[in-house]
Amino acid sequence: GNSVTQMEGPVTLSEEAFLTINCTYTATGYPSLFWYVQYPGEGLQLLLKATKADDKGSNKGFEATYRKETTSFHLEKGSVQVSDSAVYFCALVSNAGGTSYGKLTFGQGTILTVHP
Amino acid sequence: DAGITQSPRHKVTETGTPVTLRCHQTENHRYMYWYRQDPGHGLRLIHYSYGVKDTDKGEVSDGYSVSRSKTEDFLLTLESATSSQTSVYFCAIEGSGSRQYFGPGTRLTVT
Repeated sequence: GNSVTQMEGPVTLSEEAFLTINCTYTATGYPSLFWYVQYPGEGLQLLLKATKADDKGSNKGFEATYRKETTSFHLEKGSVQVSDSAVYFCALVSNAGGTSYGKLTFGQGTILTVHP
Repeated sequence: DAGITQSPRHKVTETGTPVTLRCHQTENHRYMYWYRQDPGHGLRLIHYSYGVKDTDKGEVSDGYSVSRSKTEDFLLTLESATSSQTSVYFCAIEGSGSRQYFGPGTRLTVT
């Protein structure tokens, strides 16, 4: 079956520090990969996505590259801000079998806290 | 925003009582999902729907049932709530490219 593993958290950084949150996956077929972000008291929002090997997703200064050879999709940001404090989820959807919809498999989430 | 609302937003109920959570969308999307969020587990899929009256089980479906009589509404029912069902429940709809849009969540406490 499909699975997603994220680095253990929580992660605490100072403003302007470099961020990496590791994500590795196991999947059948050719998955699409996602990073979702959840701000306190809210639902999840899509942060970025990549649909095939070597694709780079980017948004709001965050980036992640789909690495098929290492089955990874690590999230990075060069300079974090206090407003980036949130929970980050790596997820995948594998449409193996020709289904036309996707059931997301999530990692356990990583809590990021950024201090001024 | 993708036009998803959930009701109620908070609920406290007693063990053994039935509970129904509602998800309403205004976008006319075909696919809808119910997840639960628990610490250390991320989000786990409970049930999903691929059309009116078309539903199927997800990863953690035991103790839950769903119904979808209209495109815009997807109901999640706990027939007899247990303390292990204390959680935050999220509804989602699926847009293009497998992107899912999530509702604001319902925090359910079973005492």
